[in-house]
Parts: sequence; C-alpha cells; structure tokens
Amino acid sequence: GESVGLHLPTLSVQEGDNSIINCAYSNSASDYFIWYKQESGKGPQFIIDIRSNMDKRQGQRVTVLLNKTVKHLSLQIAATQPGDSAVYFCAEPPYNFNKFYFGSGTKLNVKP
Amino acid sequence: DSGVTQTPKHLITATGQRVTLRCSPRSGDLSVYWYQQSLDQGLQFLIQYYNGEERAKGNILERFSAQQFPDLHSELNLSSLELGDSALYFCASSVGTGGIEQFFGPGTRLTVL
Repeated sequence: GESVGLHLPTLSVQEGDNSIINCAYSNSASDYFIWYKQESGKGPQFIIDIRSNMDKRQGQRVTVLLNKTVKHLSLQIAATQPGDSAVYFCAEPPYNFNKFYFGSGTKLNVKP
Repeated sequence: DSGVTQTPKHLITATGQRVTLRCSPRSGDLSVYWYQQSLDQGLQFLIQYYNGEERAKGNILERFSAQQFPDLHSELNLSSLELGDSALYFCASSVGTGGIEQFFGPGTRLTVL
C-alpha cells in the first residue's frame, strides 16, 4: 500500500483564515517530503519541500511542519485566498529507485 | 507554464484499442515520470525513466509500456484498452533521479468508450 496518506478529503475555510492540511506517512526511513498543489484541470505544482533533519520550513504564506515522532506532516497556508482553492498532495520521492508515493489529496475550498 | 508538454490534450477511443501518449520534458531535465489520475484512485505513479533507461516502476499494468528516446521525450503506450483506463495521464520531469521537485505537464485526458 501507499506510505503516505491524508487525514481529510475536503477542507473548507473562509477567505483570510489560515488553513492546515495534514498528511501521515508510514515509512520511518523517509527523509524527504514534498507538497504539491493541483488546481482544477491542471497538473500538480510544487509548493514546498522539507527534509527530515528539519522540523519546520517556511515559504511564501506556506509553512510545512514535520513531526517525525508520530510520522506526520502538515501544510499551513496563511491568509487563505480564493486562488488557494485546489487539491493538495503530500509526496514521498523515491530513493534507490523505489516507488514514488503520493497521498490521496485534500481538497481545499476557500469561501469568499 | 511548467515547460513540460504533453500531446494530445484529449483522446477518445474504444475498448481494445491502443494509444500512444507523448511527453517532452523541460529543457535540461533527464528524468521523466508518468502518472495516472482517476477519480477514485488519486495520483498513481506508473514509471520513471532517466536518460533513456527505466529507473523506477510503480503500479503500471502489463498492458502499458513506456520508453524514453535519445532526445529525452517519452511515450506511454496503452494497449487493449479497458473502460477503467479512462483517466488523466500526467507526465513530469526533473533534473535528477530522486524525484525531487518534479514539474508536471498539463496532462492527457483519455476516455475509453
């Protein structure tokens, strides 16, 4: 089975609020994770990544948190905007040519 | 625009047929990845090529095959098509082999009737 997965399939937030999207993984040896955003009708787009030697990484309006103890990571979006409406995937890139896993995705709906 | 191109954008065919999907990676990228995305399956990794050679294999059916050519473009061949093969097929590319920061194409929507 997949080694990454998402807790919630759909998240609705009010414009201007902060959003938190969660992801769990099962492979404790995983040391690199990526978050992707997929807008309707488009291919996934890289947002931010994090390595296992970090607990937190910040980008523009986005922050990824990694909790290795419970094998959980989250994507926080500050001041969510209508343009943030999309499906968000966490992904675990392959090492040593193993399978590349994506989480099933969380759909973020931003209400005006 | 990611720099990755895919053709055709839409493809409608019948069961039992064979189709070829084409992908051109970003300039300078040596790895090409193929994914299938259907409504009930999410994004599924199929296969990866790096500089012409297969490097990783995911949930790819035996009826499907792929190759990467010397000019680094890639083709995904789908044969003996079934209704369940209807999906979006994405190609992605990256510089290296580790799957880091993949750039995705716009996808090919395959409909099998």
